[in-house]
Amino acid sequence: KAGVTQTPRYLIKTRGQQVTLSCSPISGHRSVSWYQQTPGQGLQFLFEYFSETQRNKGNFPGRFSGRQFSNSRSEMNVSTLELGDSALYLCASSEGQGSNQPQHFGDGTRLSIL
Amino acid sequence: DAKTTQPPSMDCAEGRAANLPCNHSTISGNEYVYWYRQIHSQGPQYIIHGLKNNETNEMASLIITEDRKSSTLILPHATLRDTAVYYCIVRVANFGNEKLTFGTGTRLTIIP
Repeated sequence: KAGVTQTPRYLIKTRGQQVTLSCSPISGHRSVSWYQQTPGQGLQFLFEYFSETQRNKGNFPGRFSGRQFSNSRSEMNVSTLELGDSALYLCASSEGQGSNQPQHFGDGTRLSIL
Repeated sequence: DAKTTQPPSMDCAEGRAANLPCNHSTISGNEYVYWYRQIHSQGPQYIIHGLKNNETNEMASLIITEDRKSSTLILPHATLRDTAVYYCIVRVANFGNEKLTFGTGTRLTIIP
């Protein structure tokens, strides 16, 4: 099976712009989670989607949003970009919900804000 | 979620077994222990997880103490490619609470 695929791998934007990141989960996986990783804060949870519904949300401002499509693919959007949004954005998928279901990560999108 | 404590760094000789400890003294009865690793510039890689019993897969073994307050990840024959940051996580069994909380992990260096 192919792993979790994230596109693009690298992105450079300027302050005030918006960006959309894409995630294709492992085939058959219905749950998709998004995380932000920075050297200072480590890995922080953004949100989780299951069956096209947001089921769980982390402590991020409303500029961060996401959605999931009927084929389980997911996108996240960040509007009005700030310098502090520079980070590695990771997507993880699992077959379903429940703590006995491992999450499998993609290699992320590295976003740099100038 | 229960907090975990890991040594910040460890070295292991290539070909030897790498034993990575994790303390999770406040773990609850329904919390799973998960291990991930992250190699620079890649996403975290799932290794193994368990609840009470010891577990083994093609990558590693997970030994959980009887009181579940600590665990050890064992890489039986370490190679240079096992150099990475290893994260021990305890994950609460709340349906719908799917987030993983990563700590600072253990930086494992395999020495040739």
